[in-house]
Amino acid sequence: DAGVIQSPRHEVTEMGQEVTLRCKPISGHDYLFWYRQTMMRGLELLIYFNNNVPIDDSGMPEDRFSAKMPNASFSTLKIQPSEPRDSAVYFCASSKKRALSTDTQYFGPGTRLTVL
Amino acid sequence: DAKTTQPTSMDCAEGRAANLPCNHSTISGNEYVYWYRQIHSQGPQYIIHGLKNNETNEMASLIITEDRKSSTLILPHATLRDTAVYYCIVRVAENRDDKIIFGKGTRLHILP
Repeated sequence: DAGVIQSPRHEVTEMGQEVTLRCKPISGHDYLFWYRQTMMRGLELLIYFNNNVPIDDSGMPEDRFSAKMPNASFSTLKIQPSEPRDSAVYFCASSKKRALSTDTQYFGPGTRLTVL
Repeated sequence: DAKTTQPTSMDCAEGRAANLPCNHSTISGNEYVYWYRQIHSQGPQYIIHGLKNNETNEMASLIITEDRKSSTLILPHATLRDTAVYYCIVRVAENRDDKIIFGKGTRLHILP
C-alpha cells in the first residue's frame, strides 16, 4: 500500500495566485481529512469528508478556501486568492469507516506551501 | 480546546524507557485516548489507543489510570529515531462522526 499521496510536496507562489493541493487517500478508506499546520496554531482540522461528502467544514478559515472530493480516490484543497498568511504545511489524512471511535487516521507527507 | 494537558518537552537517554504523561481529567466514559507522533517534516503517525485497559503493541505501551483521568505512553527502549512531537488526544464525539483535535503535544528529545 502506497499510503496517502499528496502533491505537490512543495509549492511556492505569489500572493493573489490560485493554489491547488491534491490528495489520494488509501484505497478503501471512507474518510478523508485536510489539516493545516503552522508554528503558531499547530495542527488544525480544516474539513473532512465521509464517502466523498463534506461532513464538517467549520475549520475552513474563510471563503478563499474550498475543498472537493469528486470520487473516492481524489480530493483537492483550493485557495483562491492566496495570501502570505496561508503559508503552512497542509496534510491530508484518511481512515476507514468508523466503529466505536476505534479508527485511526493515516497521514500523507504534507504539502509545504509558501505564499510570497 | 484539546482536552488534554502534556508537558511541553522531555528528554530521555537512548536505550532507556521514555514515559510520556498526559492528563485528561474531563474525559467522558465513551471517549478513547489516542497517541500520535510527528517526526520532523513528516505527517503525524498513529501509535496506540485505549479506552480503560492497558494496551501494548510493537511500538509502545499505554497505561491508563483506573479513574481514566490520566495516561502514560511508554516507549520501552527509546532510540534516536523516536525524537518527535507526541500528541495525546481524546476523541470528541459529535453525532455519528468524530474529530481528532491535536493539542501542542510533548517534544521528546532522545539523547545519545
